[in-house]
Amino acid sequence: GIQVEQSPPDLILQEGANSTLRCNFSDSVNNLQWFHQNPWGQLINLFYIPSGTKQNGRLSATTVATERYSLLYISSSQTTDSGVYFCAVLNTGNQFYFGTGTSLTVIP
Amino acid sequence: EAGVAQSPRYKIIEKRQSVAFWCNPISGHATLYWYQQILGQGPKLLIQFQNNGVVDDSQLPKDRFSAERLKGVDSTLKIQPAKLEDSAVYLCASSLASWGEQFFGPGTRLTVL
Repeated sequence: GIQVEQSPPDLILQEGANSTLRCNFSDSVNNLQWFHQNPWGQLINLFYIPSGTKQNGRLSATTVATERYSLLYISSSQTTDSGVYFCAVLNTGNQFYFGTGTSLTVIP
Repeated sequence: EAGVAQSPRYKIIEKRQSVAFWCNPISGHATLYWYQQILGQGPKLLIQFQNNGVVDDSQLPKDRFSAERLKGVDSTLKIQPAKLEDSAVYLCASSLASWGEQFFGPGTRLTVL
């Protein structure tokens, strides 16, 4: 199956700081999503982004499918941004694979 | 629009017992997925349905796990008999089509003692 690696695995930020999370994948994909898993375990959709750039408030994402990576930008981080961020990809066989996750802690 | 519903939210059982989880997807979503998420890991796909047919169950431990989606809407996932290593959160997700954006339910946290 496809390999999906995320970096960094852990990140601690001061409130107000900016950060970039990276997702690398080993093969062509039809679809890519970014999720935030909050401390209660709920997976919240952030972006559906097989290619290009999207922005939603303080968050934005860019996927460069030809180079097999995606980036999630968080600006002016808040304590409510804490949790685990996952990227997930749909390979050409329509199978969905989650990445290894980035655990983010934002301290006041 | 209502999201993906799952029940129960929590379940504690003894090893070798049976357990069942229920999922109701977003209305109109043809594709339904069951995932297992072990603590500290990303979700792992167990089974994918397209309407009431199985598309992919390659990672489902079929000796003890089973799932059905009889009328192409609700789905149940069963474990019989449970093992200690089945302790995890079981997540249900749905999408309009197999290549579409997935939406997740709140999950069922299973503890096997």
